[in-house]
Amino acid sequence: EVQLVQSGAEVKKPGESLKIFCRASGYSFISHWIGWVRQRPGKGLEWMGIIFPGDSDTKYSPPFQGHVTMSVDKSSSTAYLQWSSLKASDTAIYYCAKRTSGAFEIWGQGTMISVS
Amino acid sequence: QSVLTQPPSVSGTPGQRVTISCSGSHSNIGINTVNWYQHLPETAPKLLIFKDSLRPSGVPDRFSASKSGTSASLAISGLQSEDEGDYYCAAWDDNLDGLILFGGGTKLTVL
Repeated sequence: EVQLVQSGAEVKKPGESLKIFCRASGYSFISHWIGWVRQRPGKGLEWMGIIFPGDSDTKYSPPFQGHVTMSVDKSSSTAYLQWSSLKASDTAIYYCAKRTSGAFEIWGQGTMISVS
Repeated sequence: QSVLTQPPSVSGTPGQRVTISCSGSHSNIGINTVNWYQHLPETAPKLLIFKDSLRPSGVPDRFSASKSGTSASLAISGLQSEDEGDYYCAAWDDNLDGLILFGGGTKLTVL
C-alpha cells in the first residue's frame, strides 16, 4: 500500500526551530516528487513547494522561499520540512503529498503546528 | 487572492447536480492540465480528478470535470451528504517557473 505518514502535532513558541517529517512506503521514493501544502485555520490550501527525492531538486513557492527548507533522506524514504525561526503565522496544518501524473495522488494525514 | 478563481460556496440538495467553476489564465489552465481535490472535514485532501477529466481508481463516476480555454469545471451528480466539504482546483503556472496554483476553494453544502 502506498502511504505517507507524517509526524505528530507540535506546539512551539515564536523563534523556535522545527523539523517535521513525511515517511513514504509502498513505492519507489526516489522516483516521485513530494510536495508540501499548508492550510492555515479557516483558510484554503496553499502550495509551498516540491522536492524530487532522487536528486533533491527543489522548487519553492515565492511566499515560502527563504522561510522553510525542504529536504529528504533517501535511506529512510523520508521527506522533511523545517523552519529555523517559527512565527505565529506559521500556525497551520501541513500536508505532504506524492506527485503522480502531474497531480498529488497520495496525501499524508497532516501535521498540525501551533505557534504561540 | 488566488490566481485560480472559484466561487466561495455552492449548495444543493441530495440527488441534485452541482457544478464548481475554476477560472484561470493562459499560463495556467490555458496550457496546463487541471486537477481537482476534495477536502472533507477532519481528513486529508483527496485527488478527485487529474489531467482535466480523469478519475483516479476508486472515485465514483458521479464526479466529472471538463476544461475549455482558461476555465475548468467540476460536476457532482447524485449529490450525497458525505460530499459536503471543500473542493479545490489546481494547475501548474508557467509564469511562475512551473509552480503550482491552488484555487481559493469552494465549500459545498448539502442541504
